[in-house]
Amino acid sequence: AQTVTQSQPEMSVQEAETVTLSCTYDTSENNYYLFWYKQPPSRQMILVIRQEAYKQQNATENRFSVNFQKAAKSFSLKISDSQLGDTAMYFCAFMSPFSNFGNEKLTFGTGTRLTIIP
Amino acid sequence: NAGVTQTPKFRILKIGQSMTLQCTQDMNHNYMYWYRQDPGMGLKLIYYSVGAGITDKGEVPNGYNVSRSTTEDFPLRLELAAPSQTSVYFCASSYSSESYGYTFGSGTRLTVV
Repeated sequence: AQTVTQSQPEMSVQEAETVTLSCTYDTSENNYYLFWYKQPPSRQMILVIRQEAYKQQNATENRFSVNFQKAAKSFSLKISDSQLGDTAMYFCAFMSPFSNFGNEKLTFGTGTRLTIIP
Repeated sequence: NAGVTQTPKFRILKIGQSMTLQCTQDMNHNYMYWYRQDPGMGLKLIYYSVGAGITDKGEVPNGYNVSRSTTEDFPLRLELAAPSQTSVYFCASSYSSESYGYTFGSGTRLTVV
């Protein structure tokens, strides 16, 4: 079974600074998908960014980018020019290809609570 | 386009009571899921479904039941509620492709007293 580890339970950073959230995972598969989800105080789960393991290029979505190190099984999230609205829990998640029956589900890490300080 | 709709948003149950958490999606997604999120923790999979009439257990299925009679609906049934079932419950759905991730509902906060 795959596992996802987020070793930073809490982080805080000043507004406009850059912050990096760490995530490592364990799998024996070669092809898979990785995600970062944001959960603000409203409780809604919001997809921030996704990465396909077969792609070497790191995914980027505006101020959000990832550093995907496949050999190290590491998938960190970088938030640039942080804003007050970035305050939230951030979850890293792993998904295997659906081609293998029984893989159609996300495995989540325990989350990192990020606070942006004005 | 409503996405994934969960009802109720909040509920207090007494020990031993039963209830059904409703989940409906209007995106014609085949795959649907139920997760629970305990305080300060990540999400753990309770049950999931890959299509109407097909369900399977996740990581923490004990004390719960599901059914999937239509593509749109995936209700979660709690029988004989226990304090350990106090949690936030999320329903989610996805395309039949792993690359898109999930669309989540807004969650149901359940307290068992």
